[in-house]
Amino acid sequence: GAGVSQSPRYKVAKRGQDVALRCDPISGHVSLFWYQQALGQGPEFLTYFQNEAQLDKSGLPSDRFFAERPEGSVSTLKIQRTQQEDSAVYLCASSLAGEANYGYTFGSGTRLTVV
Amino acid sequence: DQQVKQNSPSLSVQEGRISILNCDYTNSMFDYFLWYKKYPAEGPTFLISISSIKDKNEDGRFTVFLNKSAKHLSLHIVPSQPGDSAVYFCAASYTGNQFYFGTGTSLTVIP
Repeated sequence: GAGVSQSPRYKVAKRGQDVALRCDPISGHVSLFWYQQALGQGPEFLTYFQNEAQLDKSGLPSDRFFAERPEGSVSTLKIQRTQQEDSAVYLCASSLAGEANYGYTFGSGTRLTVV
Repeated sequence: DQQVKQNSPSLSVQEGRISILNCDYTNSMFDYFLWYKKYPAEGPTFLISISSIKDKNEDGRFTVFLNKSAKHLSLHIVPSQPGDSAVYFCAASYTGNQFYFGTGTSLTVIP
């Protein structure tokens, strides 16, 4: 597709449940990013991939968060034993390597609500 | 600790007038700055950028100004149009990969 695609668009999870959020980046985009946006806040960096290599995971808030991109294309963000504070919009973005000049292209996000 | 701050949560402007959105940052290592625009239920869309070697970048109705000594940047929209109504985020980076975002300013352009 022409843009970054994220699924599901909405996810309601019971506290303690595991969830998996999917991101399909723009074809050919080498770099992929995950951000977390809490209500009323700006996006906060979680992790960054270049191809299949996870080069920076410094923003992952706890070891319950795990991201992978095994073939350098689709990425999955997994959250284990979800907590209410995990409720947020999870944004995926992609870019051509070295294209920071033009910013990322963001997907529409997955809104996670933990009840 | 919020390294990028947008102190005005909202701004209302009459159609045709200038909109000025402000952003302050604390980290002097930031060398690249972006503005994003966000409509409800959509992801942020890249609008305009500026590197720290410049103090101004213009793209059509949008101009970004950077004052490094004051650690301040601003986005000017002239003339403002109702379709510009959205939330605007500024973002800064020193790695070119991880961006630090402000909390956003909601702009309403009144017809």
